Amino acid sequence: KAGVTQTPRYLIKTRGQQVTLSCSPISGHRSVSWYQQTPGQGLQFLFEYFSETQRNKGNFPGRFSGRQFSNSRSEMNVSTLELGDSALYLCASSQGQATYNEQFFGPGTRLTVL
Amino acid sequence: DQQVKQNSPSLSVQEGRISILNCDYTNSMFDYFLWYKKYPAEGPTFLISISSIKDKNEDGRFTVFLNKSAKHLSLHIVPSQPGDSAVYFCAARRNTGKLIFGQGTTLQVKP
Repeated sequence: KAGVTQTPRYLIKTRGQQVTLSCSPISGHRSVSWYQQTPGQGLQFLFEYFSETQRNKGNFPGRFSGRQFSNSRSEMNVSTLELGDSALYLCASSQGQATYNEQFFGPGTRLTVL
Repeated sequence: DQQVKQNSPSLSVQEGRISILNCDYTNSMFDYFLWYKKYPAEGPTFLISISSIKDKNEDGRFTVFLNKSAKHLSLHIVPSQPGDSAVYFCAARRNTGKLIFGQGTTLQVKP
């Protein structure tokens, strides 16, 4: 069974631009969660989507948004990029809602904002 | 507000010895705790977990201990192997869902 895939793996953008990251969960998994990893901050939860609905949201500004499609694939969008948005963005999938099920992580998208 | 803290950014141990990674939390409502391991250029992988109704869970070389009164958990790796060198994250969650991760501890196991 293929694992969680994320595209692109690396991305360089400039301040003020917007970016869209994509995550394809493991086949059969209906939940996708997004995390931001920065040095010293660990992994910080962005949001979780389950059956195309946002189920949980972290403490990030409205510039960070996401959506989930009927095939469970998810996208995350960051608008008006800031230097501090440079991070590794990880998505994780689980069969059911992330609360009760083990999450499997993808390799991440490394975003650099110049 | 960092609800889950890993106060040691790094740890170095000799192969064959015990590695002890520590994690503290502040929210007494957390009812489930997990450890993840992360290699460079890969996503975190689940390692071991423990429910708040237990104080110990063991899986092969990995044991997690939970001290609820101290709001502290630890991961013991015995014996440590060079392949264990990675970043270890502890995480906690409440029944409302989202995982709260610590900052991570980089473990280096020297041959």
